[in-house]
Amino acid sequence: KAGVTQTPRYLIKTRGQQVTLSCSPISGHRSVSWYQQTPGQGLQFLFEYFSETQRNKGNFPGRFSGRQFSNSRSEMNVSTLELGDSALYLCASSLAATGTGVKEQYFGPGTRLTVT
Amino acid sequence: QKEVEQDPGPLSVPEGAIVSLNCTYSNSAFQYFMWYRQYSRKGPELLMYTYSSGNKEDGRFTAQVDKSSKYISLFIRDSQPSDSATYLCAIFPSTGANSKLTFGKGITLSVRP
Repeated sequence: KAGVTQTPRYLIKTRGQQVTLSCSPISGHRSVSWYQQTPGQGLQFLFEYFSETQRNKGNFPGRFSGRQFSNSRSEMNVSTLELGDSALYLCASSLAATGTGVKEQYFGPGTRLTVT
Repeated sequence: QKEVEQDPGPLSVPEGAIVSLNCTYSNSAFQYFMWYRQYSRKGPELLMYTYSSGNKEDGRFTAQVDKSSKYISLFIRDSQPSDSATYLCAIFPSTGANSKLTFGKGITLSVRP
């Protein structure tokens, strides 16, 4: 079974631009969560989608948004990029929404975003 | 106080050593305790998870939870160079619409041949 895939793997953008990252979950998984990983803050939860609905959101500004499609694929968008948005963005998929007690999340390799 | 605090690193040990990785957490509502391993340029992979206090063993890895002191540990026996990676603890409440995984910052382990 194929794992979680994320595209692109690397991105370089300039301040003020916007970016869209893509995540394809493991086949059959309906929940996708997004995380930001930086050396200073570690792994921080951005949001979770299940059946095309946002179920949970972390403490990030409104510049960070996401969506999920009917095939469970998800995209994350960051508008008006800032230098501090440079990070590894990870998505993770699971069979059901995490609030239902399913705990296993499978991570993709991440998208390395550099903002200059 | 942060929800999860993880011992800072990095940590370097010789091959064959016993490694102890530790985290503390602040909220007693957390019920599930997990350890993830992350190799360089890869996403985290779930090593093991435990529910409630006690030990759980999987090969050379043992996860230990002490809910009374809000302390979780991962022990690696007979450490190998292939264990060199970043280890992250993560905690999770039992259920709830707003449940989310909360991670420690991670500790980088290097096992020297």
